[in-house]
Amino acid sequence: EIVLTQSPGTLSLSPGERATLSCRASRSISSNYLAWYQRKPGQTPRVLIYGASSRATGIADRFSGSGSGTDFTLTISRLEPEDFAVYYCQQYGSSPPTFGQGTKVEIK
Amino acid sequence: QVQLVQSGAEVKKPGASVKLSCKASGYTFTTYYIHWVRQAPGQGLEWMGIINPRDGSTNYAQKFQGRVTMTRDTSTSTVYMDLSSLRSDDTAVYYCARWSSSRPFDPWGQGTLVTVSS
Repeated sequence: EIVLTQSPGTLSLSPGERATLSCRASRSISSNYLAWYQRKPGQTPRVLIYGASSRATGIADRFSGSGSGTDFTLTISRLEPEDFAVYYCQQYGSSPPTFGQGTKVEIK
Repeated sequence: QVQLVQSGAEVKKPGASVKLSCKASGYTFTTYYIHWVRQAPGQGLEWMGIINPRDGSTNYAQKFQGRVTMTRDTSTSTVYMDLSSLRSDDTAVYYCARWSSSRPFDPWGQGTLVTVSS
């Protein structure tokens, strides 16, 4: 199975700052089928980005995804208070689908 | 709107079984797969398996082979996940999520907390 490694584990930033989250795969992800999810306490994971760089419906344009092959990045251009959460990457191009361990974006 | 509604929280003793449900609405039930994913306290998201509501075919994560069974009822647009021989480390929130090829998991059910405790 493809192992996804996210870094950093925790990102301490202030509102208005830029957040850069990394997701590295143990081997190339088929068709760049890489998604990013946001998870807030007590809430369901919400898809932000799919296909490595396509924003899901209703997602603010401050969220962007990039990368291909084995290295992917989620960027939040200017953090809003509601963006402090845990972010997971997931590959869905190969079975079994796998998730990264998550990056927590916390208020500094 | 597309929605997955899961059954309520469960408390089970070690060795017991639990059967969770996931009711779909807002789309044609048989045209999307359903995955089950769980998250134990302090842990990440763990994929358990997938069911094709069209024909009931399944694929389970190796870790759960022999302990998990996924079924569906097309008359009620509901998918079920049965997990047997429960252990304390099966304590987790269990999610169902809709999927089709080339798309991410979307939406997710609200989650069902299963607590395994003697």
